[in-house]
Amino acid sequence: DAGVIQSPRHEVTEMGQEVTLRCKPISGHNSLFWYRQTMMRGLELLIYFNNNVPIDDSGMPEDRFSAKMPNASFSTLKIQPSEPRDSAVYFCASSFHRGLNQPQHFGDGTRLSIL
Amino acid sequence: AQTVTQSQPEMSVQEAETVTLSCTYDTSESNYYLFWYKQPPSRQMILVIRQEAYKQQNATENRFSVNFQKAAKSFSLKISDSQLGDTAMYFCAFMTYDSNYQLIWGAGTKLIIKP
Repeated sequence: DAGVIQSPRHEVTEMGQEVTLRCKPISGHNSLFWYRQTMMRGLELLIYFNNNVPIDDSGMPEDRFSAKMPNASFSTLKIQPSEPRDSAVYFCASSFHRGLNQPQHFGDGTRLSIL
Repeated sequence: AQTVTQSQPEMSVQEAETVTLSCTYDTSESNYYLFWYKQPPSRQMILVIRQEAYKQQNATENRFSVNFQKAAKSFSLKISDSQLGDTAMYFCAFMTYDSNYQLIWGAGTKLIIKP
């Protein structure tokens, strides 16, 4: 079975540009998570969807960040306008929201560099 | 507040040795699931092992085992016969109903296996 698929794997862009990160969760999973990982702050949960509905977006840093999940097989995380402090590795993870024993499965992450 | 503490920022051992990574957590819930994830330099997040709080028997996955002490809220990971490929960041995490199925993460321990 295919795992969580993220694209692009690397993104380098100049500040002020719009950045869109993409995620395809594992088929059948109904929960999707976006994380950001930096050396300074570690792994931070940005937003969590269940059945395509955002459940908790309290981790979204500011209005420049937005996330959507138009269907069960696709999600985007958008940053507009991007800033150098947004440079990080962004992970998408999915799980089957059925009980506590369902682990999250992670994609390979997108390394984002804002110049 | 629900928290996870990994008190060892970095550890290093010789290949073939046994190493134990510590993790303590805090929750008022009685039922929860505990996880160890591994993040090698390739940056993938890989599930290593998981443990249900109601199970007294410690989980084992090949060379990886846990020492789960519920009263002490401790969940340490033991790696036997360590291999160079075990070099990675190791994250401890847990999930409760109260956390709304979100993982509560520790800061991680960087483990280096020396040849």
